[in-house]
Amino acid sequence: NAGVTQTPKFRVLKTGQSMTLLCAQDMNHEYMYWYRQDPGMGLRLIHYSVGEGTTAKGEVPDGYNVSRLKKQNFLLGLESAAPSQTSVYFCASLDRGNQPQHFGDGTRLSIL
Amino acid sequence: GESVGLHLPTLSVQEGDNSIINCAYSNSASDYFIWYKQESGKGPQFIIDIRSNMDKRQGQRVTVLLNKTVKHLSLQIAATQPGDSAVYFCAENEYGNKLVFGAGTILRVKS
Repeated sequence: NAGVTQTPKFRVLKTGQSMTLLCAQDMNHEYMYWYRQDPGMGLRLIHYSVGEGTTAKGEVPDGYNVSRLKKQNFLLGLESAAPSQTSVYFCASLDRGNQPQHFGDGTRLSIL
Repeated sequence: GESVGLHLPTLSVQEGDNSIINCAYSNSASDYFIWYKQESGKGPQFIIDIRSNMDKRQGQRVTVLLNKTVKHLSLQIAATQPGDSAVYFCAENEYGNKLVFGAGTILRVKS
């Protein structure tokens, strides 16, 4: 019973490099979300998806892209990493409205 | 957009005492609220939720109270234990099933 799984758990990048974070859920949930969490702050929504093949912008989408080619996977891409993108990234999934979102344990990303 | 906020950034309580964590929200149209617990190095973990047609909801050792008149939400933890030490977030469900999180309250339990 894995729930929401994020890979990798840790990563260090140099400025300008690109990478993809993977989120996988085994609960057959329709909705998926990517958040970032910075020290002393709550989670902020980057992008989200309301179903396979759909994506939408959240509160802080600049510098990120996403894809949802399969229902169980939601990918977050950094095209050209910047130090301001150093953060902890969380993925979440949701079955339907007015239910709690289920979170993974995060990816800790440092950009030098 | 509107946001959810917390009154107290850090709360220290004695083991066995009751804890109360408060949260103010600003979107009067919000109809669903969630409390999450986050331990160090982990993702947010669901604790309890409440819909706007309710004033109170109880779980195991936790109670959430909703006061729509003053747009206030609180989480009460009975007989607080060391394992309750964590950061607690309230979240408000916006249109389109998007959550808006508060900054969080650190709960420290003293033995």
